[in-house]
Amino acid sequence: DAGVTQSPTHLIKTRGQQVTLRCSPKSGHDTVSWYQQALGQGPQFIFQYYEEEERQRGNFPDRFSGHQFPNYSSELNVNALLLGDSALYLCASSWTSNPTEQYFGPGTRLTVT
Amino acid sequence: QKEVEQDPGPLSVPEGAIVSLNCTYSNSAFQYFMWYRQYSRKGPELLMYTYSSGNKEDGRFTAQVDKSSKYISLFIRDSQPSDSATYLCAMRDTGGFKTIFGAGTRLFVKA
Repeated sequence: DAGVTQSPTHLIKTRGQQVTLRCSPKSGHDTVSWYQQALGQGPQFIFQYYEEEERQRGNFPDRFSGHQFPNYSSELNVNALLLGDSALYLCASSWTSNPTEQYFGPGTRLTVT
Repeated sequence: QKEVEQDPGPLSVPEGAIVSLNCTYSNSAFQYFMWYRQYSRKGPELLMYTYSSGNKEDGRFTAQVDKSSKYISLFIRDSQPSDSATYLCAMRDTGGFKTIFGAGTRLFVKA
C-alpha cells in the first residue's frame, strides 16, 4: 500500500517564477492538505481540498493556489515566487470521516534564489 | 502570541531515560491533540492523538491532555537512540479542518 507521494523531491526556482508541486494521497484517502514548513519551524497550514474544492485556507496570500483532481491527487501552485517562499512543502492526506489521522508525504524542498 | 507554544530544545538524554515533551496552547476550542515525529529530511509521522482531556498510552508512548491548564505532554519511556528526532505537537478544533502545529522539540537520545 503506497503512502503519500510527492514530486519533485527538490526544486530550485528564481524570484518571480511560478512553481507547481504534486501530491498523490494514500490509497483510499479523499482529502488532501498542504503545509509549508520553514527551517526550524512546524508546518503551517496552507489549505485543504475535498471533493475538488478548497474547504479551508490558512493565512497565505492568493499567490498560493491549488487543485484536486477526480482521483484525489492534488497540485499546489505558487506564483510570483519570493525568497521567503523557500521551504519544505508537505502534503498530507486523510479520510474526510477521520481528519485527525493525517499521513504526510516526504515533502518537496523548494529553494528560491 | 502563537496559538501553540513548544520549546524547540534541543533536549539531550541518555538511553533508557524517560522523556517529557510539552506544549501549551491558547485556543480553548481545540479538542483534538496530536503528536508527530519527524526525522531529518522526512515528513512528519503521526504517533498518537487524543480527543479532549485525559491520557492515552501506546507502547512506550503516553500522551496527556490537561484542558484546564491548556497543556499537553508526551512521555517516552525507555528512550532509544532511534527516538532521536523532532517531536511536533498539533491541535485542531472540532468544526475546523486546519491543524495548528508547534515549532517542534529536537530530541537526542545518547547511547
